[in-house]
Amino acid sequence: QKEVEQDPGPLSVPEGAIVSLNCTYSNSAFQYFMWYRQYSRKGPELLMYTYSSGNKEDGRFTAQVDKSSKYISLFIRDSQPSDSATYLCAMRNNNDMRFGAGTRLTVKP
Amino acid sequence: GAVVSQHPSWVICKSGTSVKIECRSLDFQATTMFWYRQFPKQSLMLMATSNEGSKATYEQGVEKDKFLINHASLTLSTLTVTSAHPEDSSFYICSPGQGSYGYTFGSGTRLTVV
Repeated sequence: QKEVEQDPGPLSVPEGAIVSLNCTYSNSAFQYFMWYRQYSRKGPELLMYTYSSGNKEDGRFTAQVDKSSKYISLFIRDSQPSDSATYLCAMRNNNDMRFGAGTRLTVKP
Repeated sequence: GAVVSQHPSWVICKSGTSVKIECRSLDFQATTMFWYRQFPKQSLMLMATSNEGSKATYEQGVEKDKFLINHASLTLSTLTVTSAHPEDSSFYICSPGQGSYGYTFGSGTRLTVV
């Protein structure tokens, strides 16, 4: 079993749709949870990070962490074509960081 | 804050030559720098961790003589791919590894070995 599981997709949605991206993990020691957006041939860009269970909202993005279920989610409301990218979940304990495989998202106009 | 500049963004080199990739922290001091490699449609894999003033630590399966890492100052870490082969073609990304700055990544370097 991988330490971090993320469905690689691809995921294709129409513009305006709500997108749900998810990751599960097995190591309960992870304390920090991040979502990155990566455009083709670019470095990952931090979208959201959370420290504990619960929800965190930033504009059209909501990150959700359920540490009891070892499950994290990223919701994108009113998705735009510019949201088309690969989304990576990441989690870490101190300097030990692990990444999901990334979900490739396409938002069609 | 936590701006990381990575250079070059794209390099093509001949098989057998060496390539140096630089990662600079522009507005903070990075005592640690993580180096990752990413193959197409795959996630980031940690290669090594560089520490200012000391030897880098390498992940299992990464050849330290092939991927030379230098972290001579608090603002510069370099990765040199020596005697490059086509299978070394990949996307290399750096990330500082301290406190809240651990969340930032460089823009990446696409290496193509022909």
